[in-house]
Amino acid sequence: NAGVTQTPKFQVLKTGQSMTLQCAQDMNHEYMSWYRQDPGMGLRLIHYSVGAGITDQGEVPNGYNVSRSTTEDFPLRLLSAAPSQTSVYFCASRDRGNSYEQYFGPGTRLTVT
Amino acid sequence: AQKVTQAQTEISVVEKEDVTLDCVYETRDTTYYLFWYKQPPSGELVFLIRRNSFDEQNEISGRYSWNFQKSTSSFNFTITASQVVDSAVYFCALSEAQDSNYQLIWGAGTKLIIKP
Repeated sequence: NAGVTQTPKFQVLKTGQSMTLQCAQDMNHEYMSWYRQDPGMGLRLIHYSVGAGITDQGEVPNGYNVSRSTTEDFPLRLLSAAPSQTSVYFCASRDRGNSYEQYFGPGTRLTVT
Repeated sequence: AQKVTQAQTEISVVEKEDVTLDCVYETRDTTYYLFWYKQPPSGELVFLIRRNSFDEQNEISGRYSWNFQKSTSSFNFTITASQVVDSAVYFCALSEAQDSNYQLIWGAGTKLIIKP
């Protein structure tokens, strides 16, 4: 099992550009989520999904879109990048049920200039 | 409302000292789960432990131990004889059984610095 994979690992964007951060998991987990982590701060939830075709907003959804067409994939789209979106992005997945731990991808370090 | 508080933003100790990281939670659910994660300087997030609300036994894993006390809504993490490799940010998290969205509520994290 590869677990949770994210691509790219690093990305530099100019203000106004759009891009998609990829996330995939091979554990057949129903729950997937995206977080951002800013220096000195904890994890803030951007969007999450409890299954294919179902997505919902987290704490900081503005400027981001998600879709979940398959169980395995959960891409995060930045519509028009802003310097405030400079951050480290983590994708995570979790089995159905609140007793299960969450598995994280290695993260994507995004810089918007 | 559910909440996780890690009041210690940063702790710095000398190697071989014992150190305790505090985690206080709030929940209305009677069944819930508590987690600790470690984020070393390399950046990945690593699961350490899960505890359910019906199991108040303390857990020990090598130099790590966890003290769960429902009476004070705390789930503290102690590292005995700390080592430089323990330097990391540690997160405490809460999940409620009644949450159909399977959310994890995260504390802000405690940065632990172990000096040689």
